[in-house]
Amino acid sequence: AQSVTQLDSQVPVFEEAPVELRCNYSSSVSVYLFWYVQYPNQGLQLLLKYLSGSTLVESINGFEAEFNKSQTSFHLRKPSVHISDTAEYFCAVTWMDSSYKLIFGSGTRLLVRP
Amino acid sequence: DTAVSQTPKYLVTQMGNDKSIKCEQNLGHDTMYWYKQDSKKFLKIMFSYNNKELIINETVPNRFSPKSPDKAHLNLHINSLELGDSAVYFCASQGRVNTEAFFGQGTRLTVV
Repeated sequence: AQSVTQLDSQVPVFEEAPVELRCNYSSSVSVYLFWYVQYPNQGLQLLLKYLSGSTLVESINGFEAEFNKSQTSFHLRKPSVHISDTAEYFCAVTWMDSSYKLIFGSGTRLLVRP
Repeated sequence: DTAVSQTPKYLVTQMGNDKSIKCEQNLGHDTMYWYKQDSKKFLKIMFSYNNKELIINETVPNRFSPKSPDKAHLNLHINSLELGDSAVYFCASQGRVNTEAFFGQGTRLTVV
């Protein structure tokens, strides 16, 4: 069965420290990969995506994620976090088969402390 | 103009009632989804429609019935509401499978 795993339910970190949020997925076929962010009481917004090409993708606010096919991972990183990065982060995957299915991981709450 | 809009934003109702949530997208997308987000923030796919056709029904109780009158709308009707139906329901639309999905702001359903 297709699944997306985010092992860390919560990641506390101090402001200006680096952070990595982990995402792994099951795969026997190629995939499209996404990271979404959800701020309190809001909907989901796309943070970044991997479709093809360079395995390292970046967002406009300093986040990056690297597609690792052999490890079936798409971890999200930021070298220096801000208080405003506190939010819920979701990894999502679409498998390149005939199904129209965007599957989400269980989410990781990033809690940035001053 | 909001790309994906859901109404209502909040819905409080009693057990046993029937209620509907509406979703509209103005992006010209072919695919629309309903997701349920529980209290632990887990996002579970419920339904997916492509060009008004049901593509995915993820073992959702029969009390939930989606309806897509046209490509731009995907409504969710829920019969005989139960306490466990309390959650935030998100509608989303997607143009092609390799593009991002756009989400509505969610409908917070509380069953009392």
